[in-house]
Amino acid sequence: DIQMTQSPSSLSASVGDRVTITCQASQDISNYLNWYQQKPGKAPKLLIYDASNLETGVPSRFSGSGSGTDFTFTISSLQPEDIATYYCQQYDNLPPYSFGQGTKLEIK
Amino acid sequence: EVQLVESGGGLVQPGGSLRLSCAASGFTFSDYEMNWVRQAPGRGLEWVSYISGSGDTIYYADSVKGRFTISRDNAKNSLYLLMNSLRAEDTAVYYCARDLATGGYWGQGTLVTVSS
Repeated sequence: DIQMTQSPSSLSASVGDRVTITCQASQDISNYLNWYQQKPGKAPKLLIYDASNLETGVPSRFSGSGSGTDFTFTISSLQPEDIATYYCQQYDNLPPYSFGQGTKLEIK
Repeated sequence: EVQLVESGGGLVQPGGSLRLSCAASGFTFSDYEMNWVRQAPGRGLEWVSYISGSGDTIYYADSVKGRFTISRDNAKNSLYLLMNSLRAEDTAVYYCARDLATGGYWGQGTLVTVSS
């Protein structure tokens, strides 16, 4: 099974900061990676699919990059409404699918 | 508009059973694979089970294999999860999610609490 290692587990940043989260797969998953945002009490919301494609309606300050085993998620200028927990998720080939452990983002 | 609405959660004793449902609308249900994903209180997301559009192909996480059964009724646009031999560690919000390869559609979740 493919394991996803996400870091950091928590992050404190100021409004306007550039924020970066990384996700590493235990084997090559090509670009089969999603990034989600989850706010308390809500379902996850898809932000990035296929590692680097922005979901419709998602602000352009969010971006993703990478392929193979190493992936990066970036918020170019942190906004107060971005406070949430972020998850990567791989969907290479067949299940089991797997998620990263999550990154809890807080405002400094 | 795509909608997924889960139901059937509640409080159950250890060793008990529960059946979750997910009502789908706004898309051709039989065209899409479906999944159950859960989230224990204060924890991360855990994929639980997958079923193909036709229902012919099914996968489970090792943590639930042999205890949970996923199924679907395409005529009723519904997805199900039958959970047997429930344990305290199965306590979680359970989400149904359409096609995790595209990832865009999730229900609001239903809470399952396993406690005596």
